[in-house]
Amino acid sequence: DQQVKQNSPSLSVQEGRISILNCDYTNSMFDYFLWYKKYPAEGPTFLISISSIKDKNEDGRFTVFLNKSAKHLSLHIVPSQPGDSAVYFCAARHSGTYKYIFGTGTRLKVLA
Amino acid sequence: NAGVMQNPRHLVRRRGQEARLRCSPMKGHSHVYWYRQLPEEGLKFMVYLQKENIIDESGMPKERFSAEFPKEGPSILRIQQVVRGDSAAYFCASSPGQGAAYGYTFGSGTRLTVV
Repeated sequence: DQQVKQNSPSLSVQEGRISILNCDYTNSMFDYFLWYKKYPAEGPTFLISISSIKDKNEDGRFTVFLNKSAKHLSLHIVPSQPGDSAVYFCAARHSGTYKYIFGTGTRLKVLA
Repeated sequence: NAGVMQNPRHLVRRRGQEARLRCSPMKGHSHVYWYRQLPEEGLKFMVYLQKENIIDESGMPKERFSAEFPKEGPSILRIQQVVRGDSAAYFCASSPGQGAAYGYTFGSGTRLTVV
């Protein structure tokens, strides 16, 4: 029962262009969403979050968009840099709980 | 200000042995979560603990796995009689509270290999 889905296992983007990573979820009771970035042999690091009362949150080169009606969120990275090459996980939390459910990740490769 | 510390980074165990994974949360964090990442999979929730209490262990296998977070010292994830299927990366995360604004801070993980 995969409540949080990242259907693209990998993505390649040219340096300087926009990277768009997608995430779909099935539970309409999710109220808080996070994106994490993970390098090999390291733990995930928090990137950006969004509450279900918003549809957009921006932090520097990173913007997260939330479309509640479609149960879809996306992470935009612009401009993409080689150092952004990593695995990106989205995570969602059920309203009133503490537990985040993670997607399977998308491996982003930014080509110089 | 050290982050979440996990040790060992790598652990090799023979089938049937015990594995003990340790996690020291960030200073000031009293909430600890354990996640497991199997090869080619996402992070799966295992257990959530506060000091001396297990709050939610719904993601833990019913047998052979246990977790604790004593009043003093690190949180311990213990796997008894390990099997090959236990080979995975185990990540610990901590947070200062339980509310919506608290994302997790993860440690670097322990990579368990069962031979």
